[in-house]
Amino acid sequence: NAGVTQTPKFRILKIGQSMTLQCTQDMNHNYMYWYRQDPGMGLKLIYYSVGAGITDKGEVPNGYNVSRSTTEDFPLRLELAAPSQTSVYFCASSYAQGTYGYTFGSGTRLTVV
Amino acid sequence: GENVEQHPSTLSVQEGDSAVIKCTYSDSASNYFPWYKQELGKRPQLIIDIRSNVGEKKDQRIAVTLNKTAKHFSLHITETQPEDSAVYFCAASRGGNQFYFGTGTSLTVIP
Repeated sequence: NAGVTQTPKFRILKIGQSMTLQCTQDMNHNYMYWYRQDPGMGLKLIYYSVGAGITDKGEVPNGYNVSRSTTEDFPLRLELAAPSQTSVYFCASSYAQGTYGYTFGSGTRLTVV
Repeated sequence: GENVEQHPSTLSVQEGDSAVIKCTYSDSASNYFPWYKQELGKRPQLIIDIRSNVGEKKDQRIAVTLNKTAKHFSLHITETQPEDSAVYFCAASRGGNQFYFGTGTSLTVIP
């Protein structure tokens, strides 16, 4: 039982490049989330999904896209990377919404130069 | 939306002393309050949570208290140990898909 697995762990992108952050979970959780964590700040929700085929925007969705074709996978796509997207990205999943804690992935540290 | 404020931003205590971190929230409909511990370079991990129908919850050396009237909740760590050194985040949820996180408290336990 691996929990939530994120890849890659580190990445440096040039301005304008694109990339996909991968997230997969093996706990059969319906609810999955992408957060970004900036220094000295709390985690901000980018996108979330309540099940396969269903996604919705969180607090800071601009510049990102997601898809959820299976229960296990929830990739985050960055199009036209900008320095403002330099951050640590965490994927998370939960058994149910709202009143259950998250299981987080190990994070992806992204730098846009 | 919800606004969660967390204090202090940094906290240093001597080993064996207690540590208290406090969070306030703005949305009276929030009903679930988890706490996460994040060690340097690692993922946040859930350490304790409390639901709005409970005033206090304990798990060994850690406890969380909730005051719904004042809209604040606190994390208490007793008999602190060096391995308690980490960043602690509080969060609040009203049962939907959005958790609102505090900005974190960096706790250092001095041996």
